Amino acid sequence: GQQLNQSPQSMFIQEGEDVSMNCTSSSIFNTWLWYKQEPGEGPVLLIALYKAGELTSNGRLTAQFGITRKDSFLNISASIPSDVGIYFCAGQLSGTASKLTFGTGTRLQVTL
Amino acid sequence: GAVVSQHPSRVICKSGTSVKIECRSLDFQATTMFWYRQFPKKSLMLMATSNEGSKATYEQGVEKDKFLINHASLTLSTLTVTSAHPEDSSFYICSARPPRGGFSYGYTFGSGTRLTVV
Repeated sequence: GQQLNQSPQSMFIQEGEDVSMNCTSSSIFNTWLWYKQEPGEGPVLLIALYKAGELTSNGRLTAQFGITRKDSFLNISASIPSDVGIYFCAGQLSGTASKLTFGTGTRLQVTL
Repeated sequence: GAVVSQHPSRVICKSGTSVKIECRSLDFQATTMFWYRQFPKKSLMLMATSNEGSKATYEQGVEKDKFLINHASLTLSTLTVTSAHPEDSSFYICSARPPRGGFSYGYTFGSGTRLTVV
């Protein structure tokens, strides 16, 4: 099935640094979601974006819905060790119970 | 709120046997649930959409006779891996979408089931 391209694939950063990752698609989406997954667990929703240009924050996390509706960005400020995990973007076409298309994931490692 | 419970979290079975995985929405009703498969260090790949009271919709390349889905109530969907083989070993995750409103507008995922076929 289709997957969204996420970059970078992995990141190794020091505690306190800011992190940026993005997700691009060849087709448009109506909703963008960002999830975090830790080993052996299911993904946990971080931020949901519903319209082009929208900028939404959740604590140290900020995500944007690209104006073209084909991309999205996630920023994490002042990273801490518990930010370690895999971050996935996901796009959805319509507002009803339609399926999600997931990104390839960005693996984040935070060193002290 | 918006909790999805998945059971079991881990299962080991012998080749040729069948395994059933349950996905429950604990505090909301879900007419639609989704089943994903995830290989190590890979993303989630949608297997099928489970529809309450009707047949599941399978993604291309997913064998419906191999992966039986039943969604008999508004809070429970089950995935049965039939005649399991070692290549079916994987991490299976379900998700459901809470009703509109609130932060949890996005899909909520279960904690996953690690299936190992020996």
